[in-house]
Amino acid sequence: GAVVSQHPSRVICKSGTSVKIECRSLDFQATTMFWYRQFPKKSLMLMATSNEGSKATYEQGVEKDKFLINHASLTLSTLTVTSAHPEDSSFYICSARGYTTGNSYEQYFGPGTRLTVT
Amino acid sequence: DQQVKQNSPSLSVQEGRISILNCDYTNSMFDYFLWYKKYPAEGPTFLISISSIKDKNEDGRFTVFLNKSAKHLSLHIVPSQPGDSAVYFCACGSTLGRLYFGRGTQLTVWP
Repeated sequence: GAVVSQHPSRVICKSGTSVKIECRSLDFQATTMFWYRQFPKKSLMLMATSNEGSKATYEQGVEKDKFLINHASLTLSTLTVTSAHPEDSSFYICSARGYTTGNSYEQYFGPGTRLTVT
Repeated sequence: DQQVKQNSPSLSVQEGRISILNCDYTNSMFDYFLWYKKYPAEGPTFLISISSIKDKNEDGRFTVFLNKSAKHLSLHIVPSQPGDSAVYFCACGSTLGRLYFGRGTQLTVWP
């Protein structure tokens, strides 16, 4: 149980275009979803937290107009990178938290999406 | 400001021996602690967790120890296996809040 999927796993796009990444909780209802970005040799950087049906809360320094997050249902959240630039190239990972084993604290991570902007 | 620190970027252990990964945190409000394992180009995988009301939690070869007074937790893997080679992240958080991650420790288990 507690499986989280992400799609696509890899995407290459041209500078100036937008890219949408989907995150789905497959076997549980995710009350909260998180979006992270991982830089080489660094920890996971939390970008934003989203609760189903409400606006995402962005971490300091993350542009909300550039990284659009929608948490439309208890099993789906999307991250759209708008007007992508090469510096947006990174590994984006989502995680979901919900009542899976009677414990709501654990976050389960998706497999990640490698974005390359050319 | 790094609230969660893993001071050893790497650890090398022989197969069959114990691996001990350490983590320190600064926020006394944290009441839930987790360890994740991560392979390159994959998302982290949940390993084991512990709440602040306990000082030890065991799951198979993995044991997490929590020392609240020292704000320190550790992950013990025994016996270590080559398949355990990965980056291990420590994560700390408070009730239903966000998690704060350390920078990870690369564990290499050699035959």
